[in-house]
Order: sequence, then C-alpha cells, then structure tokens
Amino acid sequence: AQKVTQAQTEISVVEKEDVTLDCVYETRDTTYYLFWYKQPPSGELVFLIRRNSFDEQNEISGRYSWNFQKSTSSFNFTITASQVVDSAVYFCALRDYNDMRFGAGTRLTVKP
Amino acid sequence: GAVVSQHPSWVICKSGTSVKIECRSLDFQATTMFWYRQFPKQSLMLMATSNEGSKATYEQGVEKDKFLINHASLTLSTLTVTSAHPEDSSFYICSAYSGQGNYGYTFGSGTRLTVV
Repeated sequence: AQKVTQAQTEISVVEKEDVTLDCVYETRDTTYYLFWYKQPPSGELVFLIRRNSFDEQNEISGRYSWNFQKSTSSFNFTITASQVVDSAVYFCALRDYNDMRFGAGTRLTVKP
Repeated sequence: GAVVSQHPSWVICKSGTSVKIECRSLDFQATTMFWYRQFPKQSLMLMATSNEGSKATYEQGVEKDKFLINHASLTLSTLTVTSAHPEDSSFYICSAYSGQGNYGYTFGSGTRLTVV
C-alpha cells in the first residue's frame, strides 16, 4: 500500500537557521512521483517540486533544496537561511499509478 | 500554466441543507479529478476520484450518498455535500489531472465549509 510518513509534526527555528523536513515513502510501483507542497494559513496548496522515481538528482532552487534517495525511500526538503515567510505547513506527497497521497504534514514556524 | 478554479472559497450553511462546490480546469482538459478533505491541523485525505463521464470511485469510509460527485465534462467536477451536518465542516480541495504533459496534478484553492 502507498504510504507517506512525515515524522516531524512541528518544527520551530529562529530566522536564518537551516531546517530539514523529512519524508519517507512506501510504494510497490516502480514508477512514481514525489512532491512537496507548502500550505500557508490561507489554505491554498503551493507546489514546490515534483521528482519522478527515475531521477535521483538532488535539486536546488534558491534557498530550497531536495535530497531524493531511493535506497532509503526518502525525499527530504531543506530550507537554507530560513525566513519568517517560510512559516507554513509543508506536505510531502506520493503519486503512483493509482492516485496521490499526502503525508501528515510538518508545521514549520520560523521566529524572527 | 495549468489553473484550477474552485468555488466558492468559503461557505456557511445551515444543518440539513446541501452545498455544491465547483472545480474547473481553466486551460486544460482534466481527465481525472480528485477531491480531498482536510480537517484543521490535519493532512489532506483523499475522498474520491472522478473520471469524466463515469461514476466516481470513493475511498473507504466516505459516504457516496452524502458526498455526490459529478464529472460531467472534461473541465468541470462538482462535489455536493447533501444534508450537511456540523461534522461535515472542513476544508475541501479539488485536484485535476490532465493525463499528459507536465501539468500533473493541479490543485484548486480550496473551499472552507462551515455548517451551523
């Protein structure tokens, strides 16, 4: 069965600290996609990244970086030099052949 | 890029009434649409999957007679919460999948339903 685990329920950091959000997934499919979304208080889901199962290259986008490791079924997300505006709930999601499932989410609070 | 419009963004209704939420793909045809429900401080839970022109597939535990889903065209899916009760108060989000290109999954902005 498809499953996404975000073990960190809440994380609180001080501005400018680096923070890593963990995501571990399970799927029986060999072809799948992994996503990270940001959900600010307004509720709208903001797409951050999509990675397919055949592309293990890590990616960096500004202060954001992602580490995809199939060997450990993990797709971790790091924010460098965090800012107050990064405060939100972050969801990791897995899409395989059937549908898309979300992890429980990690609430990140960045304090000034 | 792909845009999904979801309306209304919020609605308050009385117990016993029905509420319809619309999800439209504005610049692409959505072969499949998904409806999610999110309780406060919880994750998004998939409620149902709808394919254009066929009956929706509901997740276990979701009452199909209560949450009516219609996907009559490639650009519109609707979720109707029938005989709403306070426990139906939640945040509902739709997602559309085009089945091709780089659109992948595109989410609506969500609907906050409050049943009083």
